[in-house]
Amino acid sequence: DTEVTQTPKHLVMGMTNKKSLKCEQHMGHRAMYWYKQKAKKPPELMFVYSYEKLSINESVPSRFSPECPNSSLLNLHLHALQPEDSALYLCASSQAGGRLFFGPGTRLTVL
Amino acid sequence: DQQVKQNSPSLSVQEGRISILNCDYTNSMFDYFLWYKKYPAEGPTFLISISSIKDKNEDGRFTVFLNKSAKHLSLHIVPSQPGDSAVYFCAASAYSGAGSYQLTFGKGTKLSVIP
Repeated sequence: DTEVTQTPKHLVMGMTNKKSLKCEQHMGHRAMYWYKQKAKKPPELMFVYSYEKLSINESVPSRFSPECPNSSLLNLHLHALQPEDSALYLCASSQAGGRLFFGPGTRLTVL
Repeated sequence: DQQVKQNSPSLSVQEGRISILNCDYTNSMFDYFLWYKKYPAEGPTFLISISSIKDKNEDGRFTVFLNKSAKHLSLHIVPSQPGDSAVYFCAASAYSGAGSYQLTFGKGTKLSVIP
């Protein structure tokens, strides 16, 4: 299994909603990532988890809250988002050699 | 300051010809360099990578060349096919500890292969 899965594929939410994005991998990778990508821009790193501990937070606003329940799962909890947070949210995991495996992404629209 | 630069936003190539995508970097501490292919509204798909201690890596139609003295790498696709049309991101990887890596992406080059 060389796949990273993400749910949901699409999400529309209001600014007062609370929602969660989910990510799963079964490749035994011990590092997992959240990236955000806007149209016509490269992916931007948000968070890194190593061995289920948050190791990097790229100054992301607190309305985004990551969680790593176990080595295969990664969640991103969303609360009180702004319309400018609308983007493609990508989860990834990595193996030795610096290669990141990306999931298909969740297309988030904040109304 | 951009550490990874792809100076060509777009490239058009005839089917069957060679596509050459270029990338420059500024940080000598990167361990690996990778190329990802991306379609709209999908996650990046890994294409090929090269270690910083190598100068060439080949996989089928795809070859990546690394010139460390010039801090330059290139991706060659031969022969180009219409299905290769996508945005290609160059990325540089640095180990950030505890089994994790930080990828720095270029802004991407949109490749169009014309039948």
